[in-house]
Amino acid sequence: DGGITQSPKYLFRKEGQNVTLSCEQNLNHDAMYWYRQDPGQGLRLIYYSQIVNDFQKGDIAEGYSVSREKKESFPLTVTSAQKNPTAFYLCASSIRPRGVSYNEQFFGPGTRLTVL
Amino acid sequence: DAKTTQPPSMDCAEGRAANLPCNHSTISGNEYVYWYRQIHSQGPQYIIHGLKNNETNEMASLIITEDRKSSTLILPHATLRDTAVYYCIVNGNAGKSTFGDGTTLTVKP
Repeated sequence: DGGITQSPKYLFRKEGQNVTLSCEQNLNHDAMYWYRQDPGQGLRLIYYSQIVNDFQKGDIAEGYSVSREKKESFPLTVTSAQKNPTAFYLCASSIRPRGVSYNEQFFGPGTRLTVL
Repeated sequence: DAKTTQPPSMDCAEGRAANLPCNHSTISGNEYVYWYRQIHSQGPQYIIHGLKNNETNEMASLIITEDRKSSTLILPHATLRDTAVYYCIVNGNAGKSTFGDGTTLTVKP
């Protein structure tokens, strides 16, 4: 049963603590993405990775960090430097984009992070 | 990537066709139009995409104008389960996507 999983679904942390969100996929996709979504708004790209051991900043990377040591995994760390971390976080994967073509992204169920 | 403009909300009667417009007047020749939808508190789901020609699949139809500056997603027989936020994306830059605020479609009985 192929898919993309995120855990946990709900996460609570105290202010000032770093927290790592998990994202795993078994679709054999090369590219993976992290988005942030605030209430009533669209998705904003945090980081993306087109291949193992490589990743690029998206539009709102400040206060976040990622790693891509394995093809299947793309964890996101929300650091204490992120001023307003409470949000819905979505991970996605796709076949590696080739040239200027874009391939549809498959999304996980999301993690709702609340910082108290 | 080209910017897209969508109406913030639309209503549709159950069983009728839902026509969701998207303007992308700055689209370039190699950029595709993609549509996703997001049901409340879930991850977005891919619906359909196209470059120049109209496209149809089991979920929807995509009509792209000849000048490619706008498109319309058509849900031929909307059901209550089609109530969601619909995002139109224009993307030719490998790897990066910009999801705007989308259109909230409410299907009413």
